[in-house]
Amino acid sequence: GEDVEQSLFLSVREGDSSVINCTYTDSSSTYLYWYKQEPGAGLQLLTYIFSNMDMKQDQRLTVLLNKKDKHLSLRIADTQTGDSAIYFCAETTYSSASKIIFGSGTRLSIRP
Amino acid sequence: EAQVTQNPRYLITVTGKKLTVTCSQNMNHEYMSWYRQDPGLGLRQIYYSMNVEVTDKGDVPEGYKVSRKEKRNFPLILESPSPNQTSLYFCASSSPGQGIGNEQFFGPGTRLTVL
Repeated sequence: GEDVEQSLFLSVREGDSSVINCTYTDSSSTYLYWYKQEPGAGLQLLTYIFSNMDMKQDQRLTVLLNKKDKHLSLRIADTQTGDSAIYFCAETTYSSASKIIFGSGTRLSIRP
Repeated sequence: EAQVTQNPRYLITVTGKKLTVTCSQNMNHEYMSWYRQDPGLGLRQIYYSMNVEVTDKGDVPEGYKVSRKEKRNFPLILESPSPNQTSLYFCASSSPGQGIGNEQFFGPGTRLTVL
């Protein structure tokens, strides 16, 4: 079945790069997303990548997609305290365009 | 302002006392969904609705009911809450096939505690 997996925690020093990884099982993914959840708030779409792309860059964010290994990563350059949040990987597939599968979320903490 | 609203934001109740969590969106979205968020388990879908009067079970529907009588509203009903339904609940809406795939717009969450 469909499954999306992430590690639960990541700690980085302020100013370093953060890399959050995600693996998924459904090879018919169409869109892959990264959502950000700040404390006490709902999730907000941070960035996304379409399945026929390998990379997408948006300011400090770089998304890499390896379809062969079914691996997605989010790199945040020059990590700031405001980047502290839970980051969720998610996918939709051709078989169910209306359903979105979320990973368990990675809590990113920033140390000075 | 385009948004998804949920009420109440916080609720403490006792086992067996029926409750309803309301959800409303002003974006004319066809698709609405309820999720629960538990530590280490991510977001699990409870129920979803593709349009008015169309609802379907998600991954964890037991103990919950929903209705979709109007496009903008999608209430979540717990007929007889139990302590294992203590969780953080999110409502979301989207318009699949428009914009970015099925980008979900989330409400602020409802933290429910069942004693």
